[in-house]
Parts: sequence; structure tokens; C-alpha cells
Amino acid sequence: GAVVSQHPSRVICKSGTSVKIECRSLDFQATTMFWYRQFPKQSLMLMATSNEGSKATYEQGVEKDKFLINHASLTLSTLTVTSAHPEDSSFYICSASRLSSGTQYFGPGTRLTVL
Amino acid sequence: DAKTTQPTSMDCAEGRAANLPCNHSTISGNEYVYWYRQIHSQGPQYIIHGLKNNETNEMASLIITEDRKSSTLILPHATLRDTAVYYCIVRVAGPGANSKLTFGKGITLSVRP
Repeated sequence: GAVVSQHPSRVICKSGTSVKIECRSLDFQATTMFWYRQFPKQSLMLMATSNEGSKATYEQGVEKDKFLINHASLTLSTLTVTSAHPEDSSFYICSASRLSSGTQYFGPGTRLTVL
Repeated sequence: DAKTTQPTSMDCAEGRAANLPCNHSTISGNEYVYWYRQIHSQGPQYIIHGLKNNETNEMASLIITEDRKSSTLILPHATLRDTAVYYCIVRVAGPGANSKLTFGKGITLSVRP
């Protein structure tokens, strides 16, 4: 159990377009989901904490108007990168906190390349 | 969350036990020790966690010292597929917990044939 999926796994887009990434907990409920970003040869950096039914909490330095997060249900959170630019190219990873234990499980990640 | 320190890298021979150390000298009484690993270009994988007792599951064993200031993750029979970056993280946990995970640089384990 404890499977988290992400879609798409890889996306290439033109500069200025918006990209939506979905994160789903497939076999458990998650009131809290997290979004991370990872640049090459670096560790994961938390971008925001997403709570079901409420506004996301963003980490310092992360633009909330650029990275829109929606957490409409206990199994789905979405991250939309608006007006993407080449510097937004990165590996985006979500995690879901299992309600029963508090343990976080991660999705496989989404590789975003902005041309 | 309390910080952890890990060696930068280590290697071990395939089939042998891999013992990965972690120091967390400022851990609070309600913080658990978590271990995750990340294989190249994949999302982190949960391995194991514990509070103060030693824990074992199908993947690994976690040994926590009595003063809780350090711990060791043990992979009993390392395989080539265990080559990854291993992260030791401390955080408040338990049912309903939603505290964030703060990733350090982790330790790169290389398993050699």
C-alpha cells in the first residue's frame, strides 16, 4: 500500500505556457500533501504544503502566484506552473501524508523542461 | 525540525551488510527518525522510521541509541539496486501529523559487485 502517483511523468513546453501536474494518493487518504523541487545534483527543496480544502502554505522565496496549488480532495493535489520559463525547468515531486500514521509517501516525480 | 548529519558517501560489497550512520544530537522527545532513499531520477522511497526502539521491516533495520542522539540504518544484504542517496530526517510524526520533511544532502551509498 501507500502508493502515490504523478502525472505527467515528463513534460516539455514552450516558454510562457502553463503546465499542470497532478498528484494522487491511490490507496490512502491524505489531508496534507507537499510539493518539492529538485535541481540537478541538489537535494529536495520544499515548495509548499497543501491542505485539503484550504489555501496552501508556501515556503519563503516561492511565488504563490506562479506556482498555483489546489488540493480539492483527500486524494488529489495539483500544481500549476504558470507562465513557465527555462529557469523553472526542474524535477517536481509531490508527497502525501498518510492520515493514519503521518508518514509521507512520495510520487515518482515530474520532469519539466521549458524551452 | 532537528538537523541531522551524515557522511557524504560510503560503499559496500554486494551481499554484505550496509550500515549507514546518522547523528541527530538535538532531537526532541517527540521527534521520530525517518529514513528515505532516492534512486537516480526517481521520487524518494520511504524505508523505515522509529522513535526510540529498534525497528525492522522487509527492507531494513533501524538501530537507535539509548540517548537517541544517533542511529544506524542497516541493509542486511546489499544489492546493486540499493545504490542510492539515503536521507536521515527527524520530524514530529504520528497519526494526523503533517509536519514537513527537511532534506539534507544525505549519504550516497554505492554497492559494488
